[in-house]
Amino acid sequence: GAGVSQSPSNKVTEKGKDVELRCDPISGHTALYWYRQSLGQGLEFLIYFQGNSAPDKSGLPSDRFSAERTGGSVSTLTIQRTQQEDSAVYLCASSLDGGARDTQYFGPGTRLTVL
Amino acid sequence: RKEVEQDPGPFNVPEGATVAFNCTYSNSASQSFFWYRQDCRKEPKLLMSVYSSGNEDGRFTAQLNRASQYISLLIRDSKLSDSATYLCVVGHNDMRFGAGTRLTVKP
Repeated sequence: GAGVSQSPSNKVTEKGKDVELRCDPISGHTALYWYRQSLGQGLEFLIYFQGNSAPDKSGLPSDRFSAERTGGSVSTLTIQRTQQEDSAVYLCASSLDGGARDTQYFGPGTRLTVL
Repeated sequence: RKEVEQDPGPFNVPEGATVAFNCTYSNSASQSFFWYRQDCRKEPKLLMSVYSSGNEDGRFTAQLNRASQYISLLIRDSKLSDSATYLCVVGHNDMRFGAGTRLTVKP
């Protein structure tokens, strides 16, 4: 079946512009995660959605970052007034019910470059 | 202190070598443990879960030490195709990833 998809695959933007990154999780998965991975670095947790519960936003690095998940499916990560340090690969993952033992399935990521 | 810490490496080993990675975690209430593998410029994928009793999958052995709060991954008879970054993942209410240990297996 279809895996996690993300769009766009690559995004180049100018400093100060806003960007929106999209994630389509695996159908039926109630949990959705956003991570950021800078070149040669590990995954940095950003935000976690589980069903209808309030999202865990503890990883968002600043108030320029926000995310929403409409209808419990598709999620959009928005970065306002982008900065060069926002350049990274943004990975989305979904899991069946977000339990601590759940396997996370990752999308291919969006490579964001801020000039 | 980071929630999940790993030796960043890199580990450069010859084919056939045995290599071990360790990972420590800070939350003693953590319930689940995994190793993920990430190939260069690819997304992470689950390699194996780590069970309290330890578990083995072919050339890969994972162990958990709750008292010392660390997890290990042992790769025996390493292959060129094992070259990747290995990510330690620890779950409580959600899952947190370590920064990864990079492995290069050379001919």
